[in-house]
Amino acid sequence: EVQVVESGGALIKPGGSLRLSCAASGISFSDVLMNWVRQAPGKGLEWVGRIESKTGGGTTDYAAAVKGRVTISRDDSENKLYLQMNSLKTEDTAVYYCTTHRYFQFWGQGTLLTVSS
Amino acid sequence: SYVLTQPPSVSVAPGKTATITCEGDNIRNEDVHWYRQKPGQAPVLVIYYDDDRPSGVPERFSGSTSGNTATLTISSVAAGDEADYYCQVWHSGDHPGNVFGSGTKVSVL
Repeated sequence: EVQVVESGGALIKPGGSLRLSCAASGISFSDVLMNWVRQAPGKGLEWVGRIESKTGGGTTDYAAAVKGRVTISRDDSENKLYLQMNSLKTEDTAVYYCTTHRYFQFWGQGTLLTVSS
Repeated sequence: SYVLTQPPSVSVAPGKTATITCEGDNIRNEDVHWYRQKPGQAPVLVIYYDDDRPSGVPERFSGSTSGNTATLTISSVAAGDEADYYCQVWHSGDHPGNVFGSGTKVSVL
């Protein structure tokens, strides 16, 4: 059974930083492209970024709204995905989901990041 | 940037067919994926690569693309199909990235 579990959400002041984590099991993690998707309260889904598998080049892509402020990384030895977010803005407030594959096959339940003074 | 347009809402009677559209420039040239999201839950993949169904998704769910429109069709709609539905593509343009439609709320009358 595939399990995806996000963690690290918190209440952060504007301008602050935070790292979200995602642990995945039941898949060959090192072979899988991974993504972060977010959903602001009452709003639709918004793609944040992705990281290719090492065999796929390990490259990263980011949405324009977060580019330059976020870094996605992975630790294949721990089957973990990370989202480092800096210079946080109130509009970054959202539930952040970790998803697998190019077509977002498996999702976690999300972790809530609130950016507020 | 690439934009995907969905109707905000679709209403359908039980047992009838719900049709949810997703419009995008030359979307027929993209790989379209669809997700269902019930209140308070994470999204679930229901269609990938235009018309493939993941394991466990009923045959009542089908997808198609033509011209500038992708379509998710849900036949024999039941109360449990009430949810928000999102289309998504990876667009390789000047600013490549994944794009979601704005979402369609399906209400079962």
